[in-house]
Amino acid sequence: GAVVSQHPSRVICKSGTSVKIECRSLDFQATTMFWYRQFPKKSLMLMATSNEGSKATYEQGVEKDKFLINHASLTLSTLTVTSAHPEDSSFYICSASPMPGDGYTFGSGTRLTVV
Amino acid sequence: AQTVTQSQPEMSVQEAETVTLSCTYDTSESDYYLFWYKQPPSRQMILVIRQEAYKQQNATENRFSVNFQKAAKSFSLKISDSQLGDAAMYFCAGMTGYALNFGKGTSLLVTP
Repeated sequence: GAVVSQHPSRVICKSGTSVKIECRSLDFQATTMFWYRQFPKKSLMLMATSNEGSKATYEQGVEKDKFLINHASLTLSTLTVTSAHPEDSSFYICSASPMPGDGYTFGSGTRLTVV
Repeated sequence: AQTVTQSQPEMSVQEAETVTLSCTYDTSESDYYLFWYKQPPSRQMILVIRQEAYKQQNATENRFSVNFQKAAKSFSLKISDSQLGDAAMYFCAGMTGYALNFGKGTSLLVTP
């Protein structure tokens, strides 16, 4: 089945620094990947759609200059949290699928803590 | 865009019993997909079952089945013979286009 790998699983960074999270499709090509944010005991909130070879599409209210998305190849999308602040601390999850109608596969998520 | 509503924040079921989780949705599309995802404490999202809107037959995957009522825009999940490993957050999700829209989730507790 489709496998999506996400790294790192946990990261702690200092306020003001930037953090990069990688999402890879291991056994299929993904022209589109999705990035979600999840607060404790809450649902997944779609942040942006990552499009291979073009600009990402951000959901309303998501700062594109803070959450930089790069989808440089058919198997890799990266989310960079720039100038991180404690309020950016959260669980970030990516997803992709070779056949969206069959359902999306999710990465294992990244727990970001900004201190 | 599709909105998804889960009205049960928490549910409890005894091991080996059956439980039904509710989900309603709203969409103006005629072609769409519906999913149930499970998120255990590890927080890994796991696809439980999917339903294509144009198929009238309810989807079934082993102990998991759905009751898809298209006119009522209802998509409930039935878990039969509940097991301790079924304890998790369950999210109902709808897809129009390519993005998933999730409900708020239902926390399922399974008691021995």
